[in-house]
Amino acid sequence: GAVVSQHPSWVICKSGTSVKIECRSLDFQATTMFWYRQFPKQSLMLMATSNEGSKATYEQGVEKDKFLINHASLTLSTLTVTSAHPEDSSFYICSTVGSGGSASYNEQFFGPGTRLTVL
Amino acid sequence: GNSVTQMEGPVTLSEEAFLTINCTYTATGYPSLFWYVQYPGEGLQLLLKATKADDKGSNKGFEATYRKETTSFHLEKGSVQVSDSAVYFCALSGGSGTYKYIFGTGTRLKVLA
Repeated sequence: GAVVSQHPSWVICKSGTSVKIECRSLDFQATTMFWYRQFPKQSLMLMATSNEGSKATYEQGVEKDKFLINHASLTLSTLTVTSAHPEDSSFYICSTVGSGGSASYNEQFFGPGTRLTVL
Repeated sequence: GNSVTQMEGPVTLSEEAFLTINCTYTATGYPSLFWYVQYPGEGLQLLLKATKADDKGSNKGFEATYRKETTSFHLEKGSVQVSDSAVYFCALSGGSGTYKYIFGTGTRLKVLA
């Protein structure tokens, strides 16, 4: 399967600051990436779909001005949490769908996640 | 729309017990089905998958069969170990020509020595 990395793995920031999370596909070209957030002991909630070179598609109820997504290359997507507040504290996970073999069976490949804590 | 219904946990078993975690789905088209495992503080790891009816996915002693007639994809393992303690997610994808996943709520498994 494909390898996906996220950076940082955890981050603590002060309320009102912005935080950028990177998601990289290390061994294939990711035309589509997804961003999820997961609250403790809950399932993953899809936030947005990011397609290389175009605007992200946000799920209903997700503030696009709050969660900025940039998918500028086939190997990197970034999620920026702007003016973070304590309620933004969560586990953020990205996934990718590649072109070619790794996209078969509609399979996504997940990053290890980033834990954000906003004080 | 598409949906996944997963057995609620937590499930607590003794080591070497038999495990079943139920998962049923509703979907249009022909979705692919997946089981993912999440260990504490980590992301999701693919456990097994099945892409068409009657396919059986298997890995590390876990199995699940894609049953179209019952719209189910139950996860089973004959003898669990303490190291299997984790949260298990059932998911479907591609039922409507999209890569989007629909996740179940997750089932927490705790295996006692």
